Amino acid sequence: NAGVTQTPKFRVLKTGQSMTLLCAQDMNHEYMYWYRQDPGMGLRLIHYSVGEGTTAKGEVPDGYNVSRLKKQNFLLGLESAAPSQTSVYFCASSWGRIEAFFGQGTRLTVV
Amino acid sequence: RKEVEQDPGPFNVPEGATVAFNCTYSNSASQSFFWYRQDCRKEPKLLMSVYSSGNEDGRFTAQLNRASQYISLLIRDSKLSDSATYLCVVIHNAGNMLTFGGGTRLMVKP
Repeated sequence: NAGVTQTPKFRVLKTGQSMTLLCAQDMNHEYMYWYRQDPGMGLRLIHYSVGEGTTAKGEVPDGYNVSRLKKQNFLLGLESAAPSQTSVYFCASSWGRIEAFFGQGTRLTVV
Repeated sequence: RKEVEQDPGPFNVPEGATVAFNCTYSNSASQSFFWYRQDCRKEPKLLMSVYSSGNEDGRFTAQLNRASQYISLLIRDSKLSDSATYLCVVIHNAGNMLTFGGGTRLMVKP
């Protein structure tokens, strides 16, 4: 029972490079979320999805794009990475107003 | 003003102590409330939901005060293993975005 799986777990990018973070859940959840966590800032919502084919902006969407082509997958893209995007990224999924399950996080460093 | 605010701490308490955290939220349309626990460099995990009537799970008690728009978490008989960051989470009635507070760090010392 995998739950929520994020890949990769670690990555170092050079400024201007692009990458995609993959989040996969096997619980048939409708809702999926991408957060970033910075020291002293808590978790801030980047984008979220309320179902297959839908996405919406969260609190800090600039510099990121997302896609939810399949219900079980939620992709987070960085088109041109910047040092300000150095962070820990967490994906989560849920049925809605109940418990959300998180992936183990992706530690991204942009140099 | 942040939508969900917590005292970042750290709260340094001895084993066996009782400690309480508060979390305030600004959106009166908020409907669902939770406490999550996050260990260092790990993902957040649900500790307990917070119900209108208050609820207890072992040494942990959660309360909701809608009039003053805050929720609280009380930990009795603190254990070393309780050392972690406790995150307050609020869900608005409109949409289902989970909004997190910044977290309160607890350190339980021998």
